[in-house]
Amino acid sequence: DAMVIQNPRYQVTQFGKPVTLSCSQTLNHNVMYWYQQKSSQAPKLLFHYYDKDFNNEADTPDNFQSRRPNTSFCFLDIRSPGLGDAAMYLCATSRRTSGNNEQFFGPGTRLTVL
Amino acid sequence: SQQGEEDPQALSIQEGENATMNCSYKTSINNLQWYRQNSGRGLVHLILIRSNEREKHSGRLRVTLDTSKKSSSLLITASRAADTASYFCATDSFQGAQKLVFGQGTRLTINP
Repeated sequence: DAMVIQNPRYQVTQFGKPVTLSCSQTLNHNVMYWYQQKSSQAPKLLFHYYDKDFNNEADTPDNFQSRRPNTSFCFLDIRSPGLGDAAMYLCATSRRTSGNNEQFFGPGTRLTVL
Repeated sequence: SQQGEEDPQALSIQEGENATMNCSYKTSINNLQWYRQNSGRGLVHLILIRSNEREKHSGRLRVTLDTSKKSSSLLITASRAADTASYFCATDSFQGAQKLVFGQGTRLTINP
């Protein structure tokens, strides 16, 4: 089945130790998103790629970076994780069409910062 | 900026009852979508309603949209224990950005 896959599902890192989260998709969608979601809150968009074009949200900290080497894969790099970065990180995809941008989400990666 | 606000923040009902959740937003939209999120999981798309539509049905789900009041409601009829989840509305003000802005969500608990 076509899907969005995130690895790992659970990630534990130490304060200040770089970490990379991975997302892959078999939907061949041209838009990929990274969201941060803290407990009982709405998902917060960090950035998205439209094809190879990177779009950063104005309030996304510089500590967060992303790479999209090809259509199928997208990575979230957290250069120096702080305790406040502990959250669920959700990857999503969509196909850019007029009037319908339903997003397909992966299961998420739960990040713990010690 | 936060676009959607949902109420109630939490709703607990008995199995078989209907559940209604509301969403309000601030700016003009292209469409409004509802998503479900089971605890510790990703979001699942439920239904999309376009700005020129007023009501839409999908199985036990009924969504309404009132663009004059900038509000939407999601009705789940004949609720089941498996409907227990958080429900988020998300608005698309499509101006080429393909971004959604999510509301804070309603935590729905269905008691057996």
